Amino acid sequence: QKEVEQDPGPLSVPEGAIVSLNCTYSNSAFQYFMWYRQYSRKGPELLMYTYSSGNKEDGRFTAQVDKSSKYISLFIRDSQPSDSATYLCAMTGGYQKVTFGTGTKLQVIP
Amino acid sequence: GAGVSQSPRYKVAKRGQDVALRCDPISGHVSLFWYQQALGQGPEFLTYFQNEAQLDKSGLPSDRFFAERPEGSVSTLKIQRTQQEDSAVYLCASSVRDRVNEQYFGPGTRLTVT
Repeated sequence: QKEVEQDPGPLSVPEGAIVSLNCTYSNSAFQYFMWYRQYSRKGPELLMYTYSSGNKEDGRFTAQVDKSSKYISLFIRDSQPSDSATYLCAMTGGYQKVTFGTGTKLQVIP
Repeated sequence: GAGVSQSPRYKVAKRGQDVALRCDPISGHVSLFWYQQALGQGPEFLTYFQNEAQLDKSGLPSDRFFAERPEGSVSTLKIQRTQQEDSAVYLCASSVRDRVNEQYFGPGTRLTVT
C-alpha cells in the first residue's frame, strides 16, 4: 500500500461547479500537507499548504486536513476551464522528503 | 527573479549512453531537490541538497544515478548506462532553507531512452 493514495480520475465537471479533490495517507508523521497544480508538460506549481489539521482558504481554493482520519481535501469553487490540470497532493513530516500522490486529472467543461 | 530552470527540456538517449541533466535553482534557495515522474504518476523523490551537501540520496534507484551540486547553486543529475526504465520526466525543485513544504519546481527534462 502506498503512503499516499489519490484517485487518478479523470474528473470532469461543468464550468462553475464546486470541485472536491481528496487524498488519504497512512504515515502519522506527516505534518505539512500541500496541493500542487500541474499543467500538461509543465512542472508542478504550489497552490497552498496547511500545517497540521484545519482549514485554509485562498481565493477560490480551500484546503482541509483531518489528521484523525488521515484525509485531506482541496475544494475549488466556481471552477473555470483554466483550472483544467492535474492536481497533486503532497505531504511531509517537515524534513527533507516530500511524498506525492499520483495526481487527479481535472477537466472543467465550458 | 527567474524561476527554476532546467536543461535540456528534452533528451533522447540510446540505451547504454550516459546523460547529464542540469538544474538552475532560484537565486538564494539553499535547498534543491530532484524528482523522477513517470507517466501518469506523481513525482518520486530522488535526492536532496542543502547548499553543496547532499543530505539525502535515499531515492536514487541505483548506483547508475549520481547527483552533484559542487558550488551550492547549479546541480547536475547524471545517469550512467541508461536503461529503458529510466525514461521519465526529471524534475528539479528549490526552496529556502528548511521550507520543504514550499518547493518551486522547474519545467522538467523529459528523458526518452530508446
